[in-house]
Amino acid sequence: AQSVTQLGSHVSVSEGALVLLRCNYSSSVPPYLFWYVQYPNQGLQLLLKYTSAATLVKGINDFEAEFKKSETSFHLTKPSAHMSDAAEYFCAVSEQGAQKLVFGQGTRLTINP
Amino acid sequence: GAVVSQHPSRVICKSGTSVKIECRSLDFQATTMFWYRQFPKQSLMLMATSNEGSKATYEQGVEKDKFLINHASLTLSTLTVTSAHPEDSSFYICSASITERAFFGQGTRLTVV
Repeated sequence: AQSVTQLGSHVSVSEGALVLLRCNYSSSVPPYLFWYVQYPNQGLQLLLKYTSAATLVKGINDFEAEFKKSETSFHLTKPSAHMSDAAEYFCAVSEQGAQKLVFGQGTRLTINP
Repeated sequence: GAVVSQHPSRVICKSGTSVKIECRSLDFQATTMFWYRQFPKQSLMLMATSNEGSKATYEQGVEKDKFLINHASLTLSTLTVTSAHPEDSSFYICSASITERAFFGQGTRLTVV
């Protein structure tokens, strides 16, 4: 069975600072990995995805994530936080492309002025 | 990009009544759609896989007689919450996948009073 663990339910950074959201996964087969962002009372928007190509994946809004098989990690980073980045972020894993997704618990990102 | 539209975005119903939520793929055909439920401040949990022209596949612990899923066409799946109770109040989100990417609806906030 697959699982995702996001370390830290709440992360707070200052505007302009580095954003690091942690995600570790478990999968019995080579995984597909995703990061989604959710704004209040809205659906999910895909930030980026890993599908066994390059291990460093670049997404929208300057977010990127690095797949590290040895660490079973897929941490999300952004060099400089913006106020508009405040939202809930979900890491997800799938064995079937983007079919059935297993989500992590989510991390609420707060940006301090 | 592909668009998934979910309706209604918000519904309040009385305990004991039924509520239907629609999920449409607007510019592509989706043989498979997924229904998720998200409780406040929690992650998304897969409820069921909706298959066009056949019965839905429910995840363990999800009552199929309570959460009726119909996928009558390649662009429409419906979730009906029957005999709703306050504990069914939640955020329900559908998704459809195309080319290894999942597209999510805007979500439906269900409040049962």
